[in-house]
Amino acid sequence: GAVVSQHPSRVICKSGTSVKIECRSLDFQATTMFWYRQFPKQSLMLMATSNEGSKATYEQGVEKDKFLINHASLTLSTLTVTSAHPEDSSFYICSALGVMNTEAFFGQGTRLTVV
Amino acid sequence: ELKVEQNPLFLSMQEGKNYTIYCNYSTTSDRLYWYRQDPGKSLESLFVLLSNGAVKQEGRLMASLDTKARLSTLHITAAVHDLSATYFCAVDMYSGGGADGLTFGKGTHLIIQP
Repeated sequence: GAVVSQHPSRVICKSGTSVKIECRSLDFQATTMFWYRQFPKQSLMLMATSNEGSKATYEQGVEKDKFLINHASLTLSTLTVTSAHPEDSSFYICSALGVMNTEAFFGQGTRLTVV
Repeated sequence: ELKVEQNPLFLSMQEGKNYTIYCNYSTTSDRLYWYRQDPGKSLESLFVLLSNGAVKQEGRLMASLDTKARLSTLHITAAVHDLSATYFCAVDMYSGGGADGLTFGKGTHLIIQP
């Protein structure tokens, strides 16, 4: 089956620092990757869509300069939370879609805590 | 604005009982997804419903899709404790076909008591 690996699974950082989260498709080439955010006891909200080799498309209300997305290869997308603040603490989940897939597959998620 | 509404949002039920979770959506999408999420975990894909009238079953769970009514149901038969989780439905956000991000319902927090 299609496997999507996210790293790290948990990270704690100090306010003002930057954190990078990786999303890898392990056994397929992901033409498109999606980044979601989930606050406690809430649903998932799409942050941005990235296609390999092009700039990410951000959803309304998501600051592109704060959440930097890079999709430089068909198996890796990264999300960098810059100048993190406590309100950025959340569960970040990626999903990846391959050419032959009928659905995107989700990574394990990254729990970010900003202190 | 695309809306995906689930109900109920919270459900406590006894083992052995049957129940249905409903998912209404506002687009003309012919594709709908159901996921399970355990506490602290990511999403587990349960069903992908790709057309009107689609029905899929896996164990004690059965999902159906009525695109004309813009309604999907997730039916639980003879519930067991292991099915306790939060269940989300989702639809493609824009043009569909699986190439878009998803809009999720708020989720149904299901607790099954012995």
